[in-house]
Amino acid sequence: ETGVTQSPTHLIKTRGQQVTLRCSSQSGHNTVSWYQQALGQGPQFIFQYYREEENGRGNFPPRFSGLQFPNYSSELNVNALELDDSALYLCASSTGTLNTEAFFGQGTRLTVV
Amino acid sequence: TQLLEQSPQFLSIQEGENLTVYCNSSSVFSSLQWYRQEPGEGPVLLVTVVTGGEVKKLKRLTFQFGDARKDSSLHITAAQPGDTGLYLCAGVRGDNDMRFGAGTRLTVKP
Repeated sequence: ETGVTQSPTHLIKTRGQQVTLRCSSQSGHNTVSWYQQALGQGPQFIFQYYREEENGRGNFPPRFSGLQFPNYSSELNVNALELDDSALYLCASSTGTLNTEAFFGQGTRLTVV
Repeated sequence: TQLLEQSPQFLSIQEGENLTVYCNSSSVFSSLQWYRQEPGEGPVLLVTVVTGGEVKKLKRLTFQFGDARKDSSLHITAAQPGDTGLYLCAGVRGDNDMRFGAGTRLTVKP
């Protein structure tokens, strides 16, 4: 077990709705990265937060947004959900650099219908 | 187009066989990591390689980082059914830009 907790584990939403996914990082980790993993694919980088600031972003539209809190936990918000947003959403916590080790949560499986 | 290309995409072998999976890119990475992912779970880190030409061994798994730090391989000796899973490579550029390959799905039959 990595100590990274994501909630909820599963979620079903209707197209056009908004969703918030949560991640509690491992103790002592100040960096959280979010990934989207479609079925049969590798994880795609969404964005990263370091000490409450966005610290890099992948090729995702602005309707994907995030927050990091003073305790380094994080949220991923997705507005105006589309069917293609259905995926496993993973967060990974690390200590400021991903060259050491990133610990992943078990993911949130989002289904958009 | 993926930044990291993994091959093969799928691999099905018998218990006891050896295998190698590859992770290739035109980009240079400050480090490269290999993960194993079970269905419905997050990836679990197996190894991080940092130095060009570096070889690391983890029991029956041998990881190599290319001299130019653009590619890597994972070799498994005497595969066992417990090795079944999705093997992902991830290259890190700078400190915080980590990109994954699409993965190699390995099935080891008893």
